[in-house]
This record gives sequence, C-alpha cells and structure tokens, in this order.
Amino acid sequence: NAGVTQTPKFQVLKTGQSMTLQCAQDMNHNSMYWYRQDPGMGLRLIYYSASEGTTDKGEVPNGYNVSRLNKREFSLRLESAAPSQTSVYFCATRKGNNSPLHFGNGTRLTVT
Amino acid sequence: GQQVMQIPQYQHVQEGEDFTTYCNSSTTLSNIQWYKQRPGGHPVFLIQLVKSGEVKKQKRLTFQFGEAKKNSSLHITATQTTDVGTYFCAGNEGGKLIFGQGTELSVKP
Repeated sequence: NAGVTQTPKFQVLKTGQSMTLQCAQDMNHNSMYWYRQDPGMGLRLIYYSASEGTTDKGEVPNGYNVSRLNKREFSLRLESAAPSQTSVYFCATRKGNNSPLHFGNGTRLTVT
Repeated sequence: GQQVMQIPQYQHVQEGEDFTTYCNSSTTLSNIQWYKQRPGGHPVFLIQLVKSGEVKKQKRLTFQFGEAKKNSSLHITATQTTDVGTYFCAGNEGGKLIFGQGTELSVKP
C-alpha cells in the first residue's frame, strides 16, 4: 500500500525542454491535485481533478498541462520548461471536497 | 478568487516557549485544515475545523476557528524540538484547497 507515488524524485532540465511528472495513487480517492512549493510562497495550486474525466485550473496554471489518465493517475506536463518553473512539485489526493489531502514525497525540479 | 494569508512567516522560539500562527481568508470558509511539514518532507494533515467558533486540541496544540469562519489560529504550548517544521492552514473553496504561505517554526534547545 504505497499511498501517493510521484516520479521522478529529482530532475534537471534545460530551458525549453519538456517533461512529464507522474503521480499515481492506490487510495481509491476521487480528487487529485498538483501543487508547487517555493520558498516564502507556500503551496500554490497548479491544476486539480475533482473526479476522473475532469480537470480544472488552480492559482498558477500557466506553462503547465495535466491529464487525468484514469482514477489512479494524474500527470503534469511542462511543454517548454523555464527557469521560473524550478520548484518542488507535490501531488496530493483526497476522497472528497471536505476530506484531508494525502501528499506524495515530491519531485524536485531544476531548470537551468 | 480566494486568498489565504498566514502570519508570521518565520518564528524562532526557545524550547518551552509558546508559539502561535494566524490565518486569515478573504472569503468565508466552509472549513479550514491545518498541515505540518517537517524539513525535507511533505505536508501532513493535522486537523480540520468546520463549525463557527470551534476549538480543538491535540495534546499541546490548540486550533481555533473564528466566529465569522474567516480566520483561524494554531497555538502550541511549551514548544519542543519535535515541533520544528512549517505549519500551513488551507481553506476549502469548492473543489480547491488553497494554502496560506506557512509559518516556519524553529526551536532552540
């Protein structure tokens, strides 16, 4: 029972490269979220998926796309990475709107 | 959209001193959640407050939800080195959970 699994743990990209961050959960939760964490900025919501088949923008969606592949998986794609996207990215899931979030261990991304 | 402000950004205390972090929302919240993130770790859920004026305790931690459901606080009595980390509040807006900036607590033994 792994909970929320994020891959990769670390990634270094050059400006303009693309990549996909993967998130998978075995908790049978309906809702999945992508946050980024930067010093002094807290956790900022990028995109979320309230249920399978739906996705919505969060606070900072520009430069990102998401795919809710099925109930278990929610991926975050950077089409053309920029240094401003250097951050720690967290995937989180929850059962419903009033439930607590369960976080993955994060992906530390550096864009040079 | 909803904004959640949290103060202070940093707090340094001597072990045994008390600590409080405050959270304010620009809109009325249906509920508020609190999380703790240890250095190098991921946020972990602590508690959820739902009712106006609600007060909940977890050992040395006391959580309050304001009467207007727009503000909340977390108070730690007699801090210990194990309390070190960043404490976040988060407010529910529909399907979204919006986090405050967090308060980073350091405790000097």
